[in-house]
Amino acid sequence: GQNIDQPTEMTATEGAIVQINCTYQTSGFNGLFWYQQHAGEAPTFLSYNVLDGLEEKGRFSSFLSRSKGYSYLLLKELQMKDSASYLCAVRERGGGSYIPTFGRGTSLIVHP
Amino acid sequence: DGGITQSPKYLFRKEGQNVTLSCEQNLNHDAMYWYRQDPGQGLRLIYYSQIVNDFQKGDIAEGYSVSREKKESFPLTVTSAQKNPTAFYLCASHLGAGTEAFFGQGTRLTVV
Repeated sequence: GQNIDQPTEMTATEGAIVQINCTYQTSGFNGLFWYQQHAGEAPTFLSYNVLDGLEEKGRFSSFLSRSKGYSYLLLKELQMKDSASYLCAVRERGGGSYIPTFGRGTSLIVHP
Repeated sequence: DGGITQSPKYLFRKEGQNVTLSCEQNLNHDAMYWYRQDPGQGLRLIYYSQIVNDFQKGDIAEGYSVSREKKESFPLTVTSAQKNPTAFYLCASHLGAGTEAFFGQGTRLTVV
């Protein structure tokens, strides 16, 4: 089984940088995903980490430390449209299913 | 264009009725799955299928049923045994290990 923990809510100012943390416990780590979800819509894929280190994609970056069971999503140059829920999901090895388990999500509010 | 389609977007059910939510994908993905999302909650796994004619229970399968007669289709039936069915239902698929999940636009089910 897995235990995934992320903050419930964060606020930040337009143009600033925000870091959303995710910690997890798993018996067989097989990858970590970050998704963005606007209210009433489906989650959309942001990033995937399976090895330690930083993955950068434009304004968004994601970091993973497998030994610490820790990841963060970094959002730079925040825009109002970045107000959304950010979901951390961990994929576990075993059983061949590769179905990810999701955290509760972090609601990010960007204000002017 | 390839994608995953859920229908309907909104569904109202009377107490005691069964309803079926549709999920179709043309991405040629083997794995398909259903999540339920309640306000302020993460995604909880209902059922998943890795191959045609095979499916497995997720964490909250009670009161739900599925079928996988075709690779493209994975319908979810919410039965009258599900005591609290009002929620946002998301269908997803992925190609295999190390690949991200693609989500449908979701179905919001309300019991009236």
